[in-house]
Amino acid sequence: DQQVKQNSPSLSVQEGRISILNCDYTNSMFDYFLWYKKYPAEGPTFLISISSIKDKNEDGRFTVFLNKSAKHLSLHIVPSQPGDSAVYFCAAAAGGTSYGKLTFGQGTILTVHP
Amino acid sequence: DTAVSQTPKYLVTQMGNDKSIKCEQNLGHDTMYWYKQDSKKFLKIMFSYNNKELIINETVPNRFSPKSPDKAHLNLHINSLELGDSAVYFCASSQQRGGPIQETQYFGPGTRLLVL
Repeated sequence: DQQVKQNSPSLSVQEGRISILNCDYTNSMFDYFLWYKKYPAEGPTFLISISSIKDKNEDGRFTVFLNKSAKHLSLHIVPSQPGDSAVYFCAAAAGGTSYGKLTFGQGTILTVHP
Repeated sequence: DTAVSQTPKYLVTQMGNDKSIKCEQNLGHDTMYWYKQDSKKFLKIMFSYNNKELIINETVPNRFSPKSPDKAHLNLHINSLELGDSAVYFCASSQQRGGPIQETQYFGPGTRLLVL
């Protein structure tokens, strides 16, 4: 019973183009969403987050969009750079009583070609 | 000056053995976590401690026992290791303030456990 799903195991993009990573969730109690990036042999590092009261959050080249009705979020990276090549995890949390419990998707491997 | 560190980085052991993984954070955070990344690459939370008190305990076999001697350390002890315990175990920490905002969790580099 995976409550957070990233249905694309991998994505390949040319340098300078847009990368779009997708994530779907099923639990309507989730109200906070995060994206983490992970390089091989390292732990995940926080990238960007969004609260359910917003539908968009932007930080430099990274933008996260949230569609609550569709229970879908996406991460846009523009322009993509080779250094962005990594595994991207979507994560969700259910309110302030969850004490930081994050539910992760299985990740999408992004490869940005020079 | 690593923020969240784990030892060992790699652990290869025989079925039935008991082993421990150590985690330390120097960020001054009050909450620490253990996650397991299985063969399907899902990261799943196992335990969470806030100020040395257990606050999240997911459905984990009781062969797994976390121990928090102080706020900066959260160790994971595993008894009677089984083949299915082979995975990457990540420690994380955050400063939980409550409310709807989830504070950023900082992860360690992971411990790769292989049970033969």
